[in-house]
Amino acid sequence: AQKITQTQPGMFVQEKEAVTLDCTYDTSDQSYGLFWYKQPSSGEMIFLIYQGSYDEQNATEGRYSLNFQKARKSANLVISASQLGDSAMYFCAMRDFNSGNTPLVFGKGTRLSVIA
Amino acid sequence: DADVTQTPRNRITKTGKRIMLECSQTKGHDRMYWYRQDPGLGLRLIYYSFDVKDINKGEISDGYSVSRQAQAKFSLSLESAIPNQTALYFCATSEPTSGRKNEQFFGPGTRLTVL
Repeated sequence: AQKITQTQPGMFVQEKEAVTLDCTYDTSDQSYGLFWYKQPSSGEMIFLIYQGSYDEQNATEGRYSLNFQKARKSANLVISASQLGDSAMYFCAMRDFNSGNTPLVFGKGTRLSVIA
Repeated sequence: DADVTQTPRNRITKTGKRIMLECSQTKGHDRMYWYRQDPGLGLRLIYYSFDVKDINKGEISDGYSVSRQAQAKFSLSLESAIPNQTALYFCATSEPTSGRKNEQFFGPGTRLTVL
């Protein structure tokens, strides 16, 4: 069974600094996908970035990048040049592709607070 | 217009009442999901459906039932609501593919309070 672990319930970062949100995962599949979502205080779930298990390059989307270390089973989200609007809950999630394309499994989330 | 809509957006009900949460999507996706979010627990899967004739239990299906009325509609029912079902409920959809396109698209959520 898949499992996602986010060990940081809350994080603080100074505006304009970079921050890393940790995510480790567990799966027996070789083919899987890793996702990060942002949930602002308004409640909606916003997709940020995706990394496939066979992707050779770390994914990047604007100020978001994913530090994918397959051997360590980690998929940390890096936010560069933090902005006040980055204050939100962040969820790491994964899906196995070989096991019938399962639904996303989520971690418990990390609450990021950006300080001016 | 939103691609995934949920009704109602907010609902307060009493213990023992039957409640239905509805989800509609215009994305043309076959796959639909219901999750609940509780503080500190993340999102947990209740039920999912890969097509109109396919319904599957998720991690926490007890106390819930679902109906897939059409490709675009997936309803979640609480037959007899209890206070610990107070939560934020999300509907989501996805394509039946691997990779980046397997992203799940979420509705805006329904905040349910059971008194």
